[in-house]
Amino acid sequence: EAGVAQSPRYKIIEKRQSVAFWCNPISGHATLYWYQQILGQGPKLLIQFQNNGVVDDSQLPKDRFSAERLKGVDSTLKIQPAKLEDSAVYLCASSPRGGTTVGELFFGEGSRLTVL
Amino acid sequence: SQKIEQNSEALNIQEGKTATLTCNYTNYSPAYLQWYRQDPGRGPVFLLLIRENEKEKRKERLKVTFDTTLKQSLFHITASQPADSATYLCALPMDSNYQLIWGAGTKLIIKP
Repeated sequence: EAGVAQSPRYKIIEKRQSVAFWCNPISGHATLYWYQQILGQGPKLLIQFQNNGVVDDSQLPKDRFSAERLKGVDSTLKIQPAKLEDSAVYLCASSPRGGTTVGELFFGEGSRLTVL
Repeated sequence: SQKIEQNSEALNIQEGKTATLTCNYTNYSPAYLQWYRQDPGRGPVFLLLIRENEKEKRKERLKVTFDTTLKQSLFHITASQPADSATYLCALPMDSNYQLIWGAGTKLIIKP
C-alpha cells in the first residue's frame, strides 16, 4: 500500500515570496490533515479536511495560509507571503476515520521550508 | 487548556536495558493517548494507542501505561537496541475537541 506522498521535500524561498506544498493521502482515506512542525516542537494542526470539506481550520493563519482539497483526494497548502517564522516542516497526514474518532494517523515525509 | 510535557533532554540508555519515557498532561484526562516515533527528516509513525479504561498496552517490546490519577503515560522499550534511537512523541485529544495536541517529544539514544 502506498503511503502519504508529499512534495517538494525541500524548499528555500525569500521572505514575502509564495510557496505551495502538495499532498496525496493514502487511497480511500477520508480525512486529511496539514501540520506545521517547528524544530524541537511537536506538530501543530493547521487544517483538517474530511473528504473535500474543512472540519477545523481554527489554527490556520488565514491572512497568509490557504489550503484546498478539491475532489476530496489530494490537497495543496499555500503560503503567501511567507515570513521568517514560517520556516518549519509541513507534514501531511491522513486517516481512514473521521469525525470524533481519531485513530492512527499516517504521515508523509514532510516538506521542509526555509524562509530567508 | 490542555498541555503536554515530555522530557526535553535526550535520554541515553545502554543497549539491552529498558528505556522509559514520560508524557504528562495538565488538565482533564483524555479518552485516549497515542505514542509515535519520529526519525530525523521523517514524519511521525504511529506505535500505540491506549484508552482511559486501559491500564496497560503491549506490542512486542513496547509497553504503554496510562495513569489518570497521576495524569501520566509511561512508554517503555524493553531490550533496547540502537535501532530504537529516535524521538518519541505523545499525542492526546484537546479538551472536548477531538483534535490531537502533541508533546515536543523526547529524543532517545541507545548506545551499543
